[in-house]
Amino acid sequence: GAGVSQTPSNKVTEKGKYVELRCDPISGHTALYWYRQSLGQGPEFLIYFQGTGAADDSGLPNDRFFAVRPEGSVSTLKIQRTERGDSAVYLCASSLTGAEEQYFGPGTRLTVT
Amino acid sequence: GENVEQHPSTLSVQEGDSAVIKCTYSDSASNYFPWYKQELGKRPQLIIDIRSNVGEKKDQRIAVTLNKTAKHFSLHITETQPEDSAVYFCAANTGGFKTIFGAGTRLFVKA
Repeated sequence: GAGVSQTPSNKVTEKGKYVELRCDPISGHTALYWYRQSLGQGPEFLIYFQGTGAADDSGLPNDRFFAVRPEGSVSTLKIQRTERGDSAVYLCASSLTGAEEQYFGPGTRLTVT
Repeated sequence: GENVEQHPSTLSVQEGDSAVIKCTYSDSASNYFPWYKQELGKRPQLIIDIRSNVGEKKDQRIAVTLNKTAKHFSLHITETQPEDSAVYFCAANTGGFKTIFGAGTRLFVKA
């Protein structure tokens, strides 16, 4: 079946702009994660959804970052007033219930100029 | 909060030798420990995982050991092959399912 997909694959934006990154998880997976990965680093946890609710958003770096999952499937990560330090690959992953293997999407490479 | 330390950051071995990567975690509530392999430009993919009620698990050339008392776990790859060259990440998953990753180990297998 289809894996996790993310759009866009690449996004270049100017400092101060607003961006939205989309994640389509595997159908039927209730758990969805967002991570940020900088070059040479491990995935940094941002937020975890169980169904429609954010079960843990402790990894969001500040209030410019926000994520939603209104129908318990597709999720959108929203970044306001982007800064150059936000440049990274944003990875989305899903798992069946949250306590097992996570399937990662291909990531969105965000570049803030 | 949970912290995961991973060592070494880089590991170079000769084809056919074994490779060992070690991780420690801080949150005693962590109960699920996956290992992911990430090739250049690709997404991370699970290679093996272990739960806190098990001390060791093996899958062909790959094995993972867990010491809950010491809060550390290790990945062992035997008979390494050039295609094992990649970045390997350990991770710890707490009861709330928040997952914290280590910084990664870049493994080079020389033919």
